[in-house]
Amino acid sequence: DSGVTQTPKHLITATGQRVTLRCSPRSGDLSVYWYQQSLDQGLQFLIQYYNGEERAKGNILERFSAQQFPDLHSELNLSSLELGDSALYFCASSLRGTPNTEAFFGQGTRLTVV
Amino acid sequence: GESVGLHLPTLSVQEGDNSIINCAYSNSASDYFIWYKQESGKGPQFIIDIRSNMDKRQGQRVTVLLNKTVKHLSLQIAATQPGDSAVYFCAENIIQGAQKLVFGQGTRLTINP
Repeated sequence: DSGVTQTPKHLITATGQRVTLRCSPRSGDLSVYWYQQSLDQGLQFLIQYYNGEERAKGNILERFSAQQFPDLHSELNLSSLELGDSALYFCASSLRGTPNTEAFFGQGTRLTVV
Repeated sequence: GESVGLHLPTLSVQEGDNSIINCAYSNSASDYFIWYKQESGKGPQFIIDIRSNMDKRQGQRVTVLLNKTVKHLSLQIAATQPGDSAVYFCAENIIQGAQKLVFGQGTRLTINP
């Protein structure tokens, strides 16, 4: 158990809908990272928050947004969903504000858009 | 055995043999590299990391080698066990304004009994 909790584990929704994925980082970690993993692909960095502030942005679509709350949990919002958004979404957390350190990953949320 | 990591994702080795997983990274200014292991249905798990001021780092049964001249990273696993079966990802920390961890495509390691 990495200490990072993601909910829900599975999500099935229709095209055009909006969903929210939730992540609780390890106790004490200030950074939260979101990654997308499509079938048989590597992890694509989406966005990082550090202590409530956006720190870095990757290949995140405009239809996607995220935030980190004062209790440090984070939410990833995906809207106007398309079939191609079906993927595993991982959250990771680390203590520091830069990614050049070990990060701990959650078990992921599997999103299926039908 | 060896495998080029980024685009050819499969490596099969005999149990007890040593495994070498290779990775070519893209950015000569990357300052940090990391290997993750991902078992089926699970999130990636940290294996070992190395900073750009080093060329070798050893852990328990694992060694990471960094060759900055040719931008190459490798992960060596000694005495491979069935529990080592997984997909292995290398990642580099790219500094372009903000810092971002960029992952390779992964190599699937299977262990033959």
